[in-house]
Amino acid sequence: AQSVAQPEDQVNVAEGNPLTVKCTYSVSGNPYLFWYVQYPNRGLQFLLKYITGDNLVKGSYGFEAEFNKSQTSFHLKKPSALVSDSALYFCAVRDNPGTASKLTFGTGTRLQVTL
Amino acid sequence: ETGVTQSPTHLIKTRGQQVTLRCSSQSGHNTVSWYQQALGQGPQFIFQYYREEENGRGNFPPRFSGLQFPNYSSELNVNALELDDSALYLCASSFYTGSTEAFFGQGTRLTVV
Repeated sequence: AQSVAQPEDQVNVAEGNPLTVKCTYSVSGNPYLFWYVQYPNRGLQFLLKYITGDNLVKGSYGFEAEFNKSQTSFHLKKPSALVSDSALYFCAVRDNPGTASKLTFGTGTRLQVTL
Repeated sequence: ETGVTQSPTHLIKTRGQQVTLRCSSQSGHNTVSWYQQALGQGPQFIFQYYREEENGRGNFPPRFSGLQFPNYSSELNVNALELDDSALYLCASSFYTGSTEAFFGQGTRLTVV
């Protein structure tokens, strides 16, 4: 069974500082990895994905993520945080894209960016 | 905006009642999935529909059922509502091919009292 762990319930960072939101995964095959962001009373917005290829993936709003197969991690990063980045971030994995594809989500990490 | 729309946005039902939630997929997408997001939790996969047939289900009882229509819109039906069914229900549309991402609607907030 596939699973995702987000070890931090909340990450606090000052505006302008770099941010990292951690994610580790467990799958039986090759992982398809995703990051989504959720603002209050909204659905999920897609940020970026790793399918194959370069381990550093660039996404929307200046976010990027680094895939590390040996550590089974897919941490979300941004060089300079903005107050508007404050939201709930979810890491998700899909391990069998040829069949009934379903996303398994982590429990989410709340990012709080302060001035 | 993702192009995935859900209705209604909010709903209050009484325990034991039945509810139908609706989703319009993004244009061109042929696969729709439904997720339940309880308060403070990540979304949990309920089921997926492709070509009007269910082709994957998560750990949810049969009283959760769905439909997908020829225009790829979808319904989620929940019978015999329980208090624990109170959650945000999210619809996601995508292409069936595995490398694409899913696009989510804004969700329907269901409260069971």
